[in-house]
Parts: sequence; structure tokens; C-alpha cells
Amino acid sequence: GQNIDQPTEMTATEGAIVQINCTYQTSGFNGLFWYQQHAGEAPTFLSYNVLDGLEEKGRFSSFLSRSKGYSYLLLKELQMKDSASYLCAVRGDYKLSFGAGTTVTVRA
Amino acid sequence: GAVVSQHPSRVICKSGTSVKIECRSLDFQATTMFWYRQFPKQSLMLMATSNEGSKATYEQGVEKDKFLINHASLTLSTLTVTSAHPEDSSFYICSAETNLAGGDEQFFGPGTRLTVL
Repeated sequence: GQNIDQPTEMTATEGAIVQINCTYQTSGFNGLFWYQQHAGEAPTFLSYNVLDGLEEKGRFSSFLSRSKGYSYLLLKELQMKDSASYLCAVRGDYKLSFGAGTTVTVRA
Repeated sequence: GAVVSQHPSRVICKSGTSVKIECRSLDFQATTMFWYRQFPKQSLMLMATSNEGSKATYEQGVEKDKFLINHASLTLSTLTVTSAHPEDSSFYICSAETNLAGGDEQFFGPGTRLTVL
């Protein structure tokens, strides 16, 4: 089965940095994805990790450790528009399984 | 590129009626499409995997006779919620898989908000 855990909520100040952790236990591993989802909208792709290490893409970075079953998404220089739900998803043997999502609230 | 559309974006129907939701990949061919359901403040739950020209594979607990999936072409999959009831009210999202830049990636449609009265 699949078990993906991430915190429910996080709050941070505009301009700050927030790190969202994700731990997983899955049958098979073929990559880990991070998606951003605003309320009432579909998820949008942020990052993909299949090898250990850090992937940087602008203000967003994602890290993966396969041996620890652990990933994090780092959001830098937070902006108000970054307030959203962030979903950690793991591709197992044949499907993508999602965590429950972390709601990030950015305050002025 | 890699745009997925869904129609309708919102639908309100009476209990007992059937609702069809279309999912289209606009600028690429998708051999595999996925249907998800998302309840408020919960994550996406995979309902079924749809392959062009073959029967859909349903996840455990999803009734295949209630949620009919047809994947008639490489760019279109449909989900029909039959005899809808209020508990079927949810956000339904499709995604289409393609192999861009060497990796399989899912692109999500904008979702369909279904409300059953």
C-alpha cells in the first residue's frame, strides 16, 4: 500500500522561507512530485525528483532522499500568491498517490 | 503545450440523474488518462485508470457500474456518474499522461465541480 504524510497546515510571513516535509512508504518508487493547488482549482506541477538530491527551480526547490523515504519542498521569498495547498505525490508501481496536502498561509 | 481541458466546469443535477464529464488532451495524445475525486480539504483519490481502447481499471472501492469510463480516442476520455446521489457531490479531476522530456508526467484538467441536489 501507499502511505504519504505531510503536515496539515503551515503559516509564514511574506518574504520568509517555508519548508514542507513529506515522508512516504510506497510499494515501488518511480519518482516524487510536488504540486500546488489553489482552492477550487486543479493541481499544477511544481517539481519532480527521481534521484537523491536537490532540484532548484526559481523560488522553489525540492529535495529527495530515497533511502529515508523523505522529501521536502522549499519555498523562498514567499509571496501572498503562494498561499495554497501543496501536494506531495509519489509514483509507485503503476499509479500516482497523493498526500493529504499542506495548506500554506502567507501573512503580510 | 500539454493542456488538458474538462467540460463542464460546474454541474448541478437532481438526485437520480446521470452526468457526463469530458476530459480532453488538447495538444498531445494521451494513451493513459486518470480520473480523481477530491472531497473538501482532502487530497486527490484515484478512481480509475483509463487506457485508450480498453476497459478502465478501477481502484478498490470504486463502483465501475456507477462511474462509467469511456476512452474512445487518444485525446478524449469521459466519466459518467450514473444515478447520482448527494454523496457523489465532489470535485472530479482528470489527468492525461504523456512522455515529455523522457519522463512520464501527468497534466491535470481544471476539474469539474459536481453538486447533486
